[in-house]
Amino acid sequence: GENVEQHPSTLSVQEGDSAVIKCTYSDSASNYFPWYKQELGKGPQLIIDIRSNVGEKKDQRIAVTLNKTAKHFSLHITETQPEDSAVYFCAARGSNDYKLSFGAGTTVTVRA
Amino acid sequence: GAGVSQSPSNKVTEKGKDVELRCDPISGHTALYWYRQRLGQGLEFLIYFQGNSAPDKSGLPSDRFSAERTGESVSTLTIQRTQQEDSAVYLCASSIGRVPGELFFGEGSRLTVL
Repeated sequence: GENVEQHPSTLSVQEGDSAVIKCTYSDSASNYFPWYKQELGKGPQLIIDIRSNVGEKKDQRIAVTLNKTAKHFSLHITETQPEDSAVYFCAARGSNDYKLSFGAGTTVTVRA
Repeated sequence: GAGVSQSPSNKVTEKGKDVELRCDPISGHTALYWYRQRLGQGLEFLIYFQGNSAPDKSGLPSDRFSAERTGESVSTLTIQRTQQEDSAVYLCASSIGRVPGELFFGEGSRLTVL
């Protein structure tokens, strides 16, 4: 099955700086790559996703990039704010599959 | 509310007891998932229901775990003879369609086995 690895496990950034989280996946047939944000005591919530037919997608301060050849994808958060502090999970799903395989998560702390 | 609802939000039980966790998905969502999240770890797939099709139980860690879903409504995850390693947050998610995009998660049921 799909194996997703995520780095770093923790990330501390100064407010206003950028944060980058990287993930790799093992199944070259995977074609859908969402990112979820989990705040304390809440369930994960989708913040952005990318499909394998595009290399980059942006939504305000967040962007995702996908490198299919290298089988890795990244989340970029610019101009970080305290409310960006949370655990972020990357995930991957293969074509004709319904299960999302998640990375282990990155705890992001934005220092004021 | 319109979101995925899970109960109980917290459950403390003694080793060896059985527990039942409930998930009420978003109305109209045909797909329902259970995931397990151990402390500081990622989400581990347990089971998937899609409409009236046979569920995918491939992620259930042992025969002590079982789950049911009535049609496209409520699902119950049952853990028999609980062990300390079962302590985790159990997350339920629902989605539209057979090959879904976004998963909508509940807030989870935190299980502590003493």
